[in-house]
Amino acid sequence: DAGVIQSPRHEVTEMGQEVTLRCKPISGHNSLFWYRQTMMRGLELLIYFNNNVPIDDSGMPEDRFSAKMPNASFSTLKIQPSEPRDSAVYFCASTLGRKTGTEQFFGPGTRLTVL
Amino acid sequence: AQTVTQSQPEMSVQEAETVTLSCTYDTSESDYYLFWYKQPPSRQMILVIRQEAYKQQNATENRFSVNFQKAAKSFSLKISDSQLGDAAMYFCAYRSRETSGSRLTFGEGTQLTVNP
Repeated sequence: DAGVIQSPRHEVTEMGQEVTLRCKPISGHNSLFWYRQTMMRGLELLIYFNNNVPIDDSGMPEDRFSAKMPNASFSTLKIQPSEPRDSAVYFCASTLGRKTGTEQFFGPGTRLTVL
Repeated sequence: AQTVTQSQPEMSVQEAETVTLSCTYDTSESDYYLFWYKQPPSRQMILVIRQEAYKQQNATENRFSVNFQKAAKSFSLKISDSQLGDAAMYFCAYRSRETSGSRLTFGEGTQLTVNP
C-alpha cells in the first residue's frame, strides 16, 4: 500500500493567489482528516470527512478555506485568497472506522509558504 | 472540550539510557484512546504506541512503554535503551470513543534529542 498521498509536497505562492492541496487516502479507509501544523498553534484539526461527508469543519479558520471530498479516493483543501499567515504544513490523514481507536495514517504533508 | 498538555518542550537523553516524556489531559469522558506520535525531521507522523482507556494494563511496544494513570489523567511515554533514531518531536494525542467525533487532539509536543 502506498499510504496516504499528498501533493504537492512544497508550495510557494504569493499573497492573494489560490492554493489547492490534494490528498489521496489509503484505499478502503472511510474517514479523512485535514490538519495544520504551525509553530504557534501546533497541530490542529481543520476538517474531517466520514464516507465523503464533512462531519466537523469547526476548525476551518475562515471562509477563505474550503475542503471537498468528491469521492472516497480524493480530497482537496483550497485556500482563496491565500495570506502569509496561512504558511504552515498541512497534513492529510485517513483511518478506517469512525468510533474505533484505529490508527490515523498521516501523509507526508504539504509545506505551504505564502509570500 | 478535551485538552492535552505536554509540559516539556525539550528533553535530552544519552544513547542507551532511558527517558520519560510527560503528558496530561483533561476530559470528562470515561472512554477514549491515547496515542503517542513521533515526528522526525522528515515531518512524517508515525504512531509509536496506543492506549485504550478501559484497559488497566499499560501498553508496550518493544522499547516503548507508557504509564497510564487514568485517575490522574496522566499518560507518560518511556523510551528504554534510547537510540539515535529516536530523536524526534513526540506528540501526545487524545481521541474520544464516546462521541461521534473522531478527531485527534494533540499536545504541544516534546523535542527529544539523543546524545551519542
